[in-house]
Amino acid sequence: DGGITQSPKYLFRKEGQNVTLSCEQNLNHDAMYWYRQDPGQGLRLIYYSQIVNDFQKGDIAEGYSVSREKKESFPLTVTSAQKNPTAFYLCASTKDPKTEKLFFGSGTQLSVL
Amino acid sequence: GENVEQHPSTLSVQEGDSAVIKCTYSDSASNYFPWYKQELGKRPQLIIDIRSNVGEKKDQRIAVTLNKTAKHFSLHITETQPEDSAVYFCAANLSGGGADGLTFGKGTHLIIQP
Repeated sequence: DGGITQSPKYLFRKEGQNVTLSCEQNLNHDAMYWYRQDPGQGLRLIYYSQIVNDFQKGDIAEGYSVSREKKESFPLTVTSAQKNPTAFYLCASTKDPKTEKLFFGSGTQLSVL
Repeated sequence: GENVEQHPSTLSVQEGDSAVIKCTYSDSASNYFPWYKQELGKRPQLIIDIRSNVGEKKDQRIAVTLNKTAKHFSLHITETQPEDSAVYFCAANLSGGGADGLTFGKGTHLIIQP
C-alpha cells in the first residue's frame, strides 16, 4: 500500500554491528508496528507504538530497539545483541489497532555477512 | 498463552478447484478476524475480514466464515487460479483488541497446480 515506506529493501550486517531499518508513513496513523518474518513462523511482533514518544515490547523484543520521535517515523535498530538477525522485517500501521485494517510496508530483508 | 492456530501449513489444489484454510483462536473476546495474502518477497495485503457480529462474508471468489461458539474461522477460495498461489495468514485481535494489535497464524502456502 502506498503510504507506508520501508528502506532499505536489502541490508547486510557484519558481526557486532548495529543496523537501523527505516519506516515512514503518511497515513496519519497513530499506531505503528514492527514484525519479524521467518519461514514457517508467520509474523512475530517485535515492538509497537501507539503514540509519539511511547512504545512497548512485543513478543520478541530482545536484541532490538526502537524510537518514536515523530508520528510518521518508527525506525527499528537491530543491535549486536540479536544473535540471529537474518529475517524479513515488516513495518505496519493502523488507525485503530482493535478493529482497523493493518497497512504493511514492503519489507526489508536483513542478512548477516 | 493466547494464540491463533492455522492449518494446513501447505495446501496444493488443482486449478479450478476450491481451497479451504482454517484457523482457531483462543480468546472468546476476539471480535475482528482478517485474512492477508502475501506473494513471494512482497508485503501482506488484506483480502477479506470479518467481524464477530456476522457469520459469513463473501467477496467474489473469496469467502470467510466464522463460528464464534467453536472459536474458528475459515477462508474459502473457489475456482482457484494461478494468481491465487501465495502464503495466506489469518489473524485475530485477541483479548478483544489491544494496543498490540493482531496476532497472526503461521501461514498457509497455497499452491495452485495447472
